[in-house]
Amino acid sequence: ETGVTQSPTHLIKTRGQQVTLRCSSQSGHNTVSWYQQALGQGPQFIFQYYREEENGRGNFPPRFSGLQFPNYSSELNVNALELDDSALYLCASSLVGYGYTFGSGTRLTVV
Amino acid sequence: EDKVVQSPLSLVVHEGDTVTLNCSYEVTNFRSLLWYKQEKKAPTFLFMLTSSGIEKKSGRLSSILDKKELFSILNITATQTGDSAVYLCAALSNTGNQFYFGTGTSLTVIP
Repeated sequence: ETGVTQSPTHLIKTRGQQVTLRCSSQSGHNTVSWYQQALGQGPQFIFQYYREEENGRGNFPPRFSGLQFPNYSSELNVNALELDDSALYLCASSLVGYGYTFGSGTRLTVV
Repeated sequence: EDKVVQSPLSLVVHEGDTVTLNCSYEVTNFRSLLWYKQEKKAPTFLFMLTSSGIEKKSGRLSSILDKKELFSILNITATQTGDSAVYLCAALSNTGNQFYFGTGTSLTVIP
């Protein structure tokens, strides 16, 4: 059973709307990363947070933003949704330098 | 450009066969290579490889890293239908603390 919990599991939004995805990290993990996985593709790195600060960012536009809270839970916010944002969004927590534990993901569909 | 390439993209075998999955990487400031199994949503951790030439084993699965030739292989012996999944390879870079994922190898094991 994974120690990383994501909500919601599924979501349908309309183009132009905003969405917030949530993640509760595994106990003791101080780093959280978000990935976007399009159908048939490997996960693409969005960004990582360590101790509430962004600690690395992939090639995603500024309308993808995030937060990490003192209890190490995290949010991914996406503004001005586009059809291509439809994907599985994975949250992963870790201790710095170690392998990730992934959550089950949020399946976002933009129509 | 940092990248991870997996081959083959897909594979269909019969139960009892042995398979070898390949992963090559070109990642700046490489630290480690990880293998994950993804069945439905959350990728589950298999191996983390940091040193060259040291085989890691877990039951019927084993993996090894070659840091000179920049590749890794994942072997599965005596395959079972439960091994059917997408196998993801990811390279961790010290730069930006991000993992670069390949597109995965889809393995189907037929009874």
